Amino acid sequence: DAKTTQPPSMDCAEGRAANLPCNHSTISGNEYVYWYRQIHSQGPQYIIHGLKNNETNEMASLIITEDRKSSTLILPHATLRDTAVYYCIVRDNYGQNFVFGPGTRLSVLP
Amino acid sequence: SQTIHQWPATLVQPVGSPLSLECTVEGTSNPNLYWYRQAAGRGLQLLFYSVGIGQISSEVPQNLSASRPQDRQFILSSKKLLLSDSGFYLCAWTTDGNQPQHFGDGTRLSIL
Repeated sequence: DAKTTQPPSMDCAEGRAANLPCNHSTISGNEYVYWYRQIHSQGPQYIIHGLKNNETNEMASLIITEDRKSSTLILPHATLRDTAVYYCIVRDNYGQNFVFGPGTRLSVLP
Repeated sequence: SQTIHQWPATLVQPVGSPLSLECTVEGTSNPNLYWYRQAAGRGLQLLFYSVGIGQISSEVPQNLSASRPQDRQFILSSKKLLLSDSGFYLCAWTTDGNQPQHFGDGTRLSIL
């Protein structure tokens, strides 16, 4: 079973920031938080991951709360092409399985 | 840079026919390799993973099998397909540790 909880769907206006929340209240100390997205009929695309510090790359920012029980993926300026299902996953160094739950279906609206 | 290739992109097969899906990775050595299946509207289910040539771990009992004949080649097979084998099959790779898995574009398999 997935160790994360995400809202099933969200809307965001084009050009605005999209903030996607994820709860992982049972996360353990050696588990990382990963974010992927999947556009229909394509394989999941890796976005970003982190352990406890906030992370930023060319695609997004990841904000992890101090207690690490939740995180937020931020797409700073959402475009129509960011419409996808976004998955939040927790996994440790030794686990082989990335458990994908239902994710959040983000719709970017013009 | 590393790339992962899966083929074919789509496949339609009759019940009872054999299956062979291939996945290859370029630009890295000794990757961990994975086969996942995604049913329509559902999350991904890990089927097999491999940490080296000839080493296969199965996560779910089924009529599928996997092989790794070369370091960067991972094959998913079946001797006789069932209707329930329909789905979107994804191959992924990673290095050890906390590195993310990277997925191919998948094969959409339909069983008639």
